[in-house]
Amino acid sequence: EIVLTQSPGTLSLSPGERATLSCRASQSVSSSYLAWYQQKPGQAPRLLIYGASSRATGIPDRFSGSGSGTDFTLTISRLEPEDFAVYYCQQYGSSPQTFGPGTKVDIK
Amino acid sequence: QVQLVQSGAEVKKPGASVKVSCKASGYTFTSYGISWVRQAPGQGLEWMGWISAYNGNTNYAQKLQGRVTMTTDTSTSTAYMELRSLRSDDTAVYYCVRDYGDPYYFDYWGQGTLVTVSS
Repeated sequence: EIVLTQSPGTLSLSPGERATLSCRASQSVSSSYLAWYQQKPGQAPRLLIYGASSRATGIPDRFSGSGSGTDFTLTISRLEPEDFAVYYCQQYGSSPQTFGPGTKVDIK
Repeated sequence: QVQLVQSGAEVKKPGASVKVSCKASGYTFTSYGISWVRQAPGQGLEWMGWISAYNGNTNYAQKLQGRVTMTTDTSTSTAYMELRSLRSDDTAVYYCVRDYGDPYYFDYWGQGTLVTVSS
């Protein structure tokens, strides 16, 4: 199965700053079938990005995804207070689909 | 609007079984698959398996084969996940999710059901 590694484990930033989160796969993710989810404490995850770079319905344009092959990035251009959360990447091109361990974005 | 509403929290003893329900609304139930994803306390997300709400076909994670069964009731737009021979490391929040696309990702999530396995 494809193993996903996310870095950093924790990212401490201030509101208004830019966040860059990395997701690396142990083998190539076919056709960029890579998604990103946001999870806040006590809540279910929420889909942000699919197909590596397509924003889900209702997701603000400060969230963007990029990458292909084995290296993918989620960028939050300017952090809003509600963006402090844990972010997971997921590959869904190969079975079983797998998740990364998550990156926590917390307030500096 | 799409909603997935799950059954309430459960406490089970080791060796017992649990069955979690997930009632869907706001879309045509048989047009999408349902997956189950679990999250142990303070841990990441683990895909458990998938069921087609159209024809009942299933695909389970290898580590859960033989212990998990996923079913649907199309008359009530409800999906079920049963996990047997529970162990302490099955303690987790269990989510049902709607599958979207081919291959699928998860566009809507239930609120989660906490299953605690403790003697």
